[in-house]
Amino acid sequence: EAQVTQNPRYLITVTGKKLTVTCSQNMNHEYMSWYRQDPGLGLRQIYYSMNVEVTDKGDVPEGYKVSRKEKRNFPLILESPSPNQTSLYFCASSLGLAPPFDEQFFGPGTRLTVL
Amino acid sequence: AQSVTQLDSHVSVSEGTPVLLRCNYSSSYSPSLFWYVQHPNKGLQLLLKYTSAATLVKGINGFEAEFKKSETSFHLTKPSAHMSDAAEYFCVVSESVYSGGGADGLTFGKGTHLIIQP
Repeated sequence: EAQVTQNPRYLITVTGKKLTVTCSQNMNHEYMSWYRQDPGLGLRQIYYSMNVEVTDKGDVPEGYKVSRKEKRNFPLILESPSPNQTSLYFCASSLGLAPPFDEQFFGPGTRLTVL
Repeated sequence: AQSVTQLDSHVSVSEGTPVLLRCNYSSSYSPSLFWYVQHPNKGLQLLLKYTSAATLVKGINGFEAEFKKSETSFHLTKPSAHMSDAAEYFCVVSESVYSGGGADGLTFGKGTHLIIQP
């Protein structure tokens, strides 16, 4: 089944404790992206990757890191989480971003709470 | 630069009545437009997309949207609401990086919460 998986689905942690949220897709997609969703703000992009070893900042990259060493994986790293990073995080992938603009496939989400 | 505005944060309709979710956009280039749906505790799922072909786009679950360039609108409609339509809906505008859209060219609206009254 074609899908985007994220782990963990739920995470409660404390300020300053490094964490990684994994994202994996099995569709051989080139493009992958991370979003955070906050009430009243919709989805805001954190980082995206156009292909292996190619990453770039989105709208809200501060406090986050990413890597794209393999095509299928795009982990999100919080080196020193803070309470304002408490949010619902989504990973997404698509075949590419050239016209016709492609549908993005979303993972199920990771609910992160930073105490 | 591009932007998208969903004109209603909440819409409440009775089951069996029409649904209208409004979306206006601005774009410097020829955009693609999408509607996504998010059911409670789920990820986002594509409802439909416009990519410069037919201006009336049909999607899944009986939804459709009409691209109106003169009004810069892409409103989502459904003739008859069903209880299972209760969800959050997002309008998304996309400009390709290859056309100079900047960043990765995707901008999400803030969402419209659709409530279906029995």
